[in-house]
Amino acid sequence: DSGVTQTPKHLITATGQRVTLRCSPRSGDLSVYWYQQSLDQGLQFLIQYYNGEERAKGNILERFSAQQFPDLHSELNLSSLELGDSALYFCASSLEGKETQYFGPGTRLLVL
Amino acid sequence: EDQVTQSPEALRLQEGESSSLNCSYTVSGLRGLFWYRQDPGKGPEFLFTLYSAGEEKEKERLKATLTKKESFLHITAPKPEDSATYLCAVQAQGFNKFYFGSGTKLNVKP
Repeated sequence: DSGVTQTPKHLITATGQRVTLRCSPRSGDLSVYWYQQSLDQGLQFLIQYYNGEERAKGNILERFSAQQFPDLHSELNLSSLELGDSALYFCASSLEGKETQYFGPGTRLLVL
Repeated sequence: EDQVTQSPEALRLQEGESSSLNCSYTVSGLRGLFWYRQDPGKGPEFLFTLYSAGEEKEKERLKATLTKKESFLHITAPKPEDSATYLCAVQAQGFNKFYFGSGTKLNVKP
């Protein structure tokens, strides 16, 4: 158990809908990262937050957004969902955003 | 452009048959190289962090080494429970992003 929690574990929705994925980092970690992993694809970095501020951006679509709250939990919002958005979404955390990342169990999103 | 390449894509071993996985990288200044293990449908599990050429880390049957251009994950006398996908990631100096390779899928047969 890495100490990173993600909810929900599974999510099934329809095209055009909007969903919110939630992540709670390890106790004491200030930085949160979001990744997407499609079937047979590698981990694609989406975005990083550090202590509430956006720090780095990867291949995140404009339909996707994220934020980190004062209690350091983070949410990833996915809107206007398409079939191709079906994937595993992972959250990771690290102490200050420069060290080893510890991953949560992921949220499996299925868009029908 | 920063890149991480892992080989082979897949590896099938008999129990007890030692082998090595490769991770080659091109980054403008390495801050750290990370190895993870990922089981199907699960989050990556941290194994090792290496920071400089010549560094080695060991954990049970796994040993990770680092040179200026690549890292190896050596698996000694593997067991079926070592079957998983092994991911390599690098972090470049001055950047916060991690670049992940596509992984090596290891299957250890009893």
